[in-house]
Amino acid sequence: GAGVSQSPSNKVTEKGKDVELRCDPISGHTALYWYRQSLGQGLEFLIYFQGNSAPDKSGLPSDRFSAERTGGSVSTLTIQRTQQEDSAVYLCASSLEAAVNSPLHFGNGTRLTVT
Amino acid sequence: AQSVSQHNHHVILSEAASLELGCNYSYGGTVNLFWYVQYPGQHLQLLLKYFSGDPLVKGIKGFEAEFIKSKFSFNLRKPSVQWSDTAEYFCAVILTDSWGKLQFGAGTQVVVTP
Repeated sequence: GAGVSQSPSNKVTEKGKDVELRCDPISGHTALYWYRQSLGQGLEFLIYFQGNSAPDKSGLPSDRFSAERTGGSVSTLTIQRTQQEDSAVYLCASSLEAAVNSPLHFGNGTRLTVT
Repeated sequence: AQSVSQHNHHVILSEAASLELGCNYSYGGTVNLFWYVQYPGQHLQLLLKYFSGDPLVKGIKGFEAEFIKSKFSFNLRKPSVQWSDTAEYFCAVILTDSWGKLQFGAGTQVVVTP
């Protein structure tokens, strides 16, 4: 069946530009997560959604980062005024619900390069 | 600060060798523990998980992990690796009162040579 889909798979942008990253979760999954993977680093939690609401935004690195989810499905992560340190792979995951026994299913990620 | 530590960043071993990857966490509360694997060019996949009960859990592809509460550890093992086990392995922890916030270690790149 269809997995978590992320687009674009690669994005190169100039410093200072805004970017939007999209995530299509598995159909029926109510929870959606964004993580960031930088070179040599582990996965850094950014934000998660239960339905359309985001109970935990604590991982967003700065106010340049925002995310929304509409219709309990697609989510968009927006980075404004990108900086070189924003370069990373942005991973999206979804799960049936935001519960500890509900495993995460990851997408292939969007590789963002800020020049 | 609460964290998840993986002891080795890079491991190289030959086929049929035994593998053990260390993972320690610093959370004081009740935790649930996971190992995820990312094969080259693929997305992250769940390898195994521990919630409660028998501290020795078995996952896919012959992997197992042991939860030792007194040592805050959740080490991953495989008695005999294959070339297809070449991948990056991530330990992850979630607090039972912090749904959704899975905390990952930095990962261990494992290379199995034929």
